[in-house]
Amino acid sequence: GAVVSQHPSRVICKSGTSVKIECRSLDFQATTMFWYRQFPKQSLMLMATSNEGSKATYEQGVEKDKFLINHASLTLSTLTVTSAHPEDSSFYICSARRWGRGETQYFGPGTRLLVL
Amino acid sequence: AQTVTQSQPEMSVQEAETVTLSCTYDTSESDYYLFWYKQPPSRQMILVIRQEAYKQQNATENRFSVNFQKAAKSFSLKISDSQLGDAAMYFCAYRSFNTDKLIFGTGTRLQVFP
Repeated sequence: GAVVSQHPSRVICKSGTSVKIECRSLDFQATTMFWYRQFPKQSLMLMATSNEGSKATYEQGVEKDKFLINHASLTLSTLTVTSAHPEDSSFYICSARRWGRGETQYFGPGTRLLVL
Repeated sequence: AQTVTQSQPEMSVQEAETVTLSCTYDTSESDYYLFWYKQPPSRQMILVIRQEAYKQQNATENRFSVNFQKAAKSFSLKISDSQLGDAAMYFCAYRSFNTDKLIFGTGTRLQVFP
């Protein structure tokens, strides 16, 4: 199979603090990882694409200084929400893809972030 | 730019019956991939089925099959012998051949009644 994990599954933090979310591919090497955001009852919106060893590519309208992405290894990518505010509260989902054109993305279980 | 449209916000089906979820897309590309993902209440996105645009044969995975009409840019999902566990949000998604970016539709919530 292709299993992707996320940690934590849920986090509550105070406004102004930073939160780090980890995304791991457990049984395959992921050359590319993706971070999505999903608001209640809405679709997934791609935030950024990260390739191992290089800087992430952010989608238009996503603040790169706000959402720091690090793809340190072929099995780990992290998303840090810096100086979180209540409007950052959302469901964050990562996905990972093996090397090779046409490979499917496999999704993590998501992280629910609540900023008070 | 490519777009994906799911015109059915909600659908319902009785257990053991068949239901079809609609998806249309807009693109000027000839090579691409189409997907159906399922998101149950746990929020875990699960790949249901995948179709390569260059393949004329419709993809099937057990009780799930698609009707891929390339000229009409239509990609519907048929669920046969519906089960209670099929209840979920279903998202149709498009991916260009040369990029990684998945473009999702707005989703269809499927309810399954016993």
